[in-house]
Amino acid sequence: NAGVTQTPKFRILKIGQSMTLQCTQDMNHNYMYWYRQDPGMGLKLIYYSVGAGITDKGEVPNGYNVSRSTTEDFPLRLELAAPSQTSVYFCAARGPPIPNSPLHFGNGTRLTVT
Amino acid sequence: TQLLEQSPQFLSIQEGENLTVYCNSSSVFSSLQWYRQEPGEGPVLLVTVVTGGEVKKLKRLTFQFGDARKDSSLHITAAQPGDTGLYLCAGEETGGGNKLTFGTGTQLKVEL
Repeated sequence: NAGVTQTPKFRILKIGQSMTLQCTQDMNHNYMYWYRQDPGMGLKLIYYSVGAGITDKGEVPNGYNVSRSTTEDFPLRLELAAPSQTSVYFCAARGPPIPNSPLHFGNGTRLTVT
Repeated sequence: TQLLEQSPQFLSIQEGENLTVYCNSSSVFSSLQWYRQEPGEGPVLLVTVVTGGEVKKLKRLTFQFGDARKDSSLHITAAQPGDTGLYLCAGEETGGGNKLTFGTGTQLKVEL
């Protein structure tokens, strides 16, 4: 039972480079989320999606883009990497009943921008 | 964005001690969840509380949702090294949106 799978696990980028963080889920959940977590801190919402073709901004969307062409996949794109984007990125999926159901998280992508 | 403040931020205790972690906000939440996160992994749900004043127990962990649904607490009895981790509260925003706002986190270390 894979749940939510994130790739890559680690990545080092130079300032100005771009990359896509991959997230896929096999639970057929409509709701998916991207969070970032700085060391020892809580999670901040970047973008979320309530279903294929629908995305919306969270608390800290600047510098990121997302797409949701299928129920399974929710990639996060960084176009011009900046040191402030050094963080651990978590993707999560959520099924019914909404609200009150849990978020199922992947194991994260640790990104360093130098 | 509704803010959730957790206290304490760090807690280092000996095995067998009791502790309480607090999660506070000035906003009302329709429900509140508690997660535990271990190094290198994503957070995992411990409990969801929905009703003001609700108390839930999970073995040695007791969770309470404030009467006004603005705050919550997590009490651990007789802590064990296996309780070590980052504890996060997360509130479901009122008015829909289907988003969870996470607290600032409490890093707990339980030593032998």
